[in-house]
Amino acid sequence: DAGVIQSPRHEVTEMGQEVTLRCKPISGHDYLFWYRQTMMRGLELLIYFNNNVPIDDSGMPEDRFSAKMPNASFSTLKIQPSEPRDSAVYFCASSEGSGNTIYFGEGSWLTVV
Amino acid sequence: AQRVTQPEKLLSVFKGAPVELKCNYSYSGSPELFWYVQYSRQRLQLLLRHISRESIKGFTADLNKGETSFHLKKPFAQEEDSAMYYCALSRHGNKLVFGAGTILRVKS
Repeated sequence: DAGVIQSPRHEVTEMGQEVTLRCKPISGHDYLFWYRQTMMRGLELLIYFNNNVPIDDSGMPEDRFSAKMPNASFSTLKIQPSEPRDSAVYFCASSEGSGNTIYFGEGSWLTVV
Repeated sequence: AQRVTQPEKLLSVFKGAPVELKCNYSYSGSPELFWYVQYSRQRLQLLLRHISRESIKGFTADLNKGETSFHLKKPFAQEEDSAMYYCALSRHGNKLVFGAGTILRVKS
C-alpha cells in the first residue's frame, strides 16, 4: 500500500480564494483524521471520521473550514474563504479500528498570501 | 482535561551523548502514550508506543504513572536521530492529542 495519499503537496493561494485539500486513506482503514501543524500551535486535530461519519469536529477553527468524506477512500478539507493565518501544513491520517496505529500522509503545505 | 506537555522546544546534544526527551501528560483515565518522529519535510511516523514496550532505533520510553511521564531515551545519540519528536496521548483509543514537539539536534 502506498500509504495515506494527500494532494496537493504544496499550494500557494491568495487570500479570499477557496482551497480544497484531498486525502486518500489506506485501504481498509475506517478512521480518518485531519490535523493542522503550525509553528505556534503544533499539531492540532481538526476533525475525524469513523466509517465516513464525522465523529468530532470540535477542532475545526471556524465556519470557513469544512470537511467531507463521501466514501471510504476519499476525504476533502475545504477552506473558504482562505486567510493568511490558515497557512500551515495539513496532515491527513488514517487507522484501522480503534486503538491501532495512526498513519500519516506527507502533508499539504498551504501558504495563503 | 487531557494534555501533553513537552517542556523543551529544542534539545541539542553531541553525537554519542545520551538523549532524554521529556514528556508529561495529564489524563484522568488509563492513557495510551506514543512517540512520533518527523524527519525533515517527511511525514510523521510512529516511533514507539508504551504498550509494546519495545526499543526502536535504540530509543525506549517507560510510562511512569506516578510521575505522569513518558520520557524518550537513547543512550548514544546519532546524527540521523536529528528530527522533531512528538509525544502523544490517545483518548478513547483512536484520537491522538499531541504535545508541542521537541526538535532534537545531534551535533557531530
